[in-house]
Amino acid sequence: EPEVTQTPSHQVTQMGQEVILRCVPISNHLYFYWYRQILGQKVEFLVSFYNNEISEKSEIFDDQFSVERPDGSNFTLKIRSTKLEDSAMYFCASCGTSLGTQYFGPGTRLLVL
Amino acid sequence: QQQVKQSPQSLIVQKGGISIINCAYENTAFDYFPWYQQFPGKGPALLIAIRPDVSEKKEGRFTISFNKSAKQFSLHIMDSQPGDSATYFCAASTSGGGADGLTFGKGTHLIIQP
Repeated sequence: EPEVTQTPSHQVTQMGQEVILRCVPISNHLYFYWYRQILGQKVEFLVSFYNNEISEKSEIFDDQFSVERPDGSNFTLKIRSTKLEDSAMYFCASCGTSLGTQYFGPGTRLLVL
Repeated sequence: QQQVKQSPQSLIVQKGGISIINCAYENTAFDYFPWYQQFPGKGPALLIAIRPDVSEKKEGRFTISFNKSAKQFSLHIMDSQPGDSATYFCAASTSGGGADGLTFGKGTHLIIQP
């Protein structure tokens, strides 16, 4: 069964450093998303991406964040200058159609020291 | 308000019992209501979803009940099993499905005791 994959599974970084989280959505899916989950809390929407542009973003997704689909398979989330409060599990998701199901990847646990 | 309020925060049910988790929303533009199941260290996985044109949807032991006038929906797990022990999130979106971001509830930590 096709699945969303994410790399790395864990990342530790120093405050102020840039990190790039990578995702490979399900092949032929058209809608892509990033969510985050701070330990023990709910899953929060960050951004959605369709047709090579951001279609929606939350107030969490400020200028420190950016997304890119550099080729036909990868979808990345960049955090330019990490803060302690960026420590969380980051989930990528993809969806095949506008009325479809969002499938989540296993997540990248980011720890900012 | 974009919030989805979920209760209870945690729930303990005996094996074979019925687990019930409730959610309420305020944004009447929401038109898609999925439930996700999450095991420790894993991403959320879709369990079952409903759209407001029906009041109930059943898939195996899992049932969503939807009350549009009250702006509430609930998940019922019949014959609960220890393997159902997980965190359950209700969610909602305005696109009828996948196009828009999901707004999640805070989650319910469900424990099924053998």
